[in-house]
Amino acid sequence: GESVGLHLPTLSVQEGDNSIINCAYSNSASDYFIWYKQESGKGPQFIIDIRSNMDKRQGQRVTVLLNKTVKHLSLQIAATQPGDSAVYFCAEFPRSVNYGGSQGNLIFGKGTKLSVKP
Amino acid sequence: KAGVTQTPRYLIKTRGQQVTLSCSPISGHRSVSWYQQTPGQGLQFLFEYFSETQRNKGNFPGRFSGRQFSNSRSEMNVSTLELGDSALYLCASSFTGNTEAFFGQGTRLTVV
Repeated sequence: GESVGLHLPTLSVQEGDNSIINCAYSNSASDYFIWYKQESGKGPQFIIDIRSNMDKRQGQRVTVLLNKTVKHLSLQIAATQPGDSAVYFCAEFPRSVNYGGSQGNLIFGKGTKLSVKP
Repeated sequence: KAGVTQTPRYLIKTRGQQVTLSCSPISGHRSVSWYQQTPGQGLQFLFEYFSETQRNKGNFPGRFSGRQFSNSRSEMNVSTLELGDSALYLCASSFTGNTEAFFGQGTRLTVV
């Protein structure tokens, strides 16, 4: 049935530890994925992206892994800091049969709340 | 380089009224998408504009509409407001609609 509210999965880590946030995406034809960080009262902030022709991409302290076989994305944050506390969303661009692209239509996962303990 | 700017940041409206929200994309970006974020439904796609044309639309009623101007700035309008329209409305800009999308801070709409 329809949920009254989203119950966000929560990941609690100690400052300095590594964090791994997981996401299952819905469309096997999706070819582009983005991870966003959203702090309370703010808009989603772009963290890192990956195209479907890659299975790993690294940024500053972050790594995204893509497993197309099981439609799974993960975001790894190294040396997690209190400032990393936020809700993290994965988003996918499903390919449109009409236009060969998705024209700005990002499909978001439900999000994971990361809490970093000092 | 300025980011995505949304105005106003906060709005309180009464049921039945209408509202217009504004979004200025990053300079050079021609695609603007709008999203609604609520605790119950999460982030949901409303529509996307590119070069003043709506290219894609989500599953929202016709009370939700938008437009884009020649300078790529976009507005969305919600008519006959309902309590359930209370949400954070976000816009995102990108070069083409299929590349990195950057969000504004959002407009928090409260319908009373």
